[in-house]
Amino acid sequence: AQRVTQPEKLLSVFKGAPVELKCNYSYSGSPELFWYVQYSRQRLQLLLRHISRESIKGFTADLNKGETSFHLKKPFAQEEDSAMYYCALRVEGAQKLVFGQGTRLTINP
Amino acid sequence: ETGVTQSPTHLIKTRGQQVTLRCSSQSGHNTVSWYQQALGQGPQFIFQYYREEENGRGNFPPRFSGLQFPNYSSELNVNALELDDSALYLCASSKSVSSYNEQFFGPGTRLTVL
Repeated sequence: AQRVTQPEKLLSVFKGAPVELKCNYSYSGSPELFWYVQYSRQRLQLLLRHISRESIKGFTADLNKGETSFHLKKPFAQEEDSAMYYCALRVEGAQKLVFGQGTRLTINP
Repeated sequence: ETGVTQSPTHLIKTRGQQVTLRCSSQSGHNTVSWYQQALGQGPQFIFQYYREEENGRGNFPPRFSGLQFPNYSSELNVNALELDDSALYLCASSKSVSSYNEQFFGPGTRLTVL
């Protein structure tokens, strides 16, 4: 079965510090990985996907198939980055997204 | 462009009752997916509808059922409610079933089962 693990439920960093949100997955095939974000009082929205290989709001994520990881990184955190972040996986030929438990990121001033 | 809407915002039911949740997909979208998000957990896939047919189902019992209408809006029905059905129910729509199409989420319906 497919599984996504986000080991940190809570993560707190200071403004300007680097941020790394961890995501590990379990899937034997070729996965498609996503990061979703939910800001306070807003709906869940796509932040980035690994096939796009782009930087969104300063965030990047690299798929490491050897370590089965898709960690989200940002070199300099900003207060507006405070939100709930979910890592998600879509398996080949299936439509469902498998989500991790989420990490609540708090950026302290 | 109107986003995904869901109704009601929240509701309270008692164990054994039945509930219907509604979702209006974003304009131009023909695919709707439903997710259950229990407190402190990530969303869990229930099923997906594409052009009025079920197109994939997660690990949920048959008492969870759905419909999609010709205008691509959708309903989630849950029979014989159990306490564990208390959760936020999210609807997401996309342009088609292709994996290249982003899923756009609604604000959710919070269901409390007493």
